[in-house]
Amino acid sequence: DAGVIQSPRHEVTEMGQEVTLRCKPISGHNSLFWYRQTMMRGLELLIYFNNNVPIDDSGMPEDRFSAKMPNASFSTLKIQPSEPRDSAVYFCASSPQNRGLLGTDTQYFGPGTRLTVL
Amino acid sequence: QQQVKQSPQSLIVQKGGISIINCAYENTAFDYFPWYQQFPGKGPALLIAIRPDVSEKKEGRFTISFNKSAKQFSLHIMDSQPGDSATYFCAASRRAGNNRKLIWGLGTSLAVNP
Repeated sequence: DAGVIQSPRHEVTEMGQEVTLRCKPISGHNSLFWYRQTMMRGLELLIYFNNNVPIDDSGMPEDRFSAKMPNASFSTLKIQPSEPRDSAVYFCASSPQNRGLLGTDTQYFGPGTRLTVL
Repeated sequence: QQQVKQSPQSLIVQKGGISIINCAYENTAFDYFPWYQQFPGKGPALLIAIRPDVSEKKEGRFTISFNKSAKQFSLHIMDSQPGDSATYFCAASRRAGNNRKLIWGLGTSLAVNP
C-alpha cells in the first residue's frame, strides 16, 4: 500500500490567494483527519470525516477554511483567502474501520504539505 | 485548554541512556493512550499505545507506564540510540459512537547524542 498521499508537498503563495490541499487516504480506511502543525500550537485537529461525512469541524479556525470529502478516496482542504498566519504543515491522516471498543484506531499520517503564505 | 500536558519540551540523552517523557491528562473518560513518533519531514507514526486496564506495556526498548489514579502516563526509551532522535507526541482519546478523536500533547523533541 502506498500509504496516505498528500499533494502538493510544498506550497508557496501570496496573501489573499486560494490554496487547495489534497489527500488520498489509505484504501479501505473510513475515517479521515486534517491536522495543522506549528511550533507554537503543536498538532491541531481541524476536521475529521467518517464514511465521507464531516463529524467534527470544531477545529477549523474560521470561515476561510473549508474541507470536502466527495468520495472515499479523496479529500480537499481549501483556504480562501490565505493569510501569512496560515503558514504551517498540514497533515492528512486516515484510520481503518473501528473494530468495536477494543479497536486500535491507529491514525496513519501522510507526509504533509508545507504551506508558506507570503 | 490543553487537556493533555506533555513534558519536557525537549530532551537530550546520551547514547545508551534512558529517555523519559511524561504526560498528564484531565478527562477520566479517556480510554486509549497512544504515543506517536515523528521524524523531520515526515508525518507522525504510531509507536506504542496502552489502555487503562494495564499499568505497563513494553515493546522492545519502548515502555509505557500508566498511572490511572494520578492520570499520568509516560514513555521510557531504554538504551536510547541516535536513530531514536525524533519528536514524540502523547495523545489520549475516548470513543464517541463510531468515532475517536485524539487529543494531542505538544510534543517532546528528543536528541540522542552518539
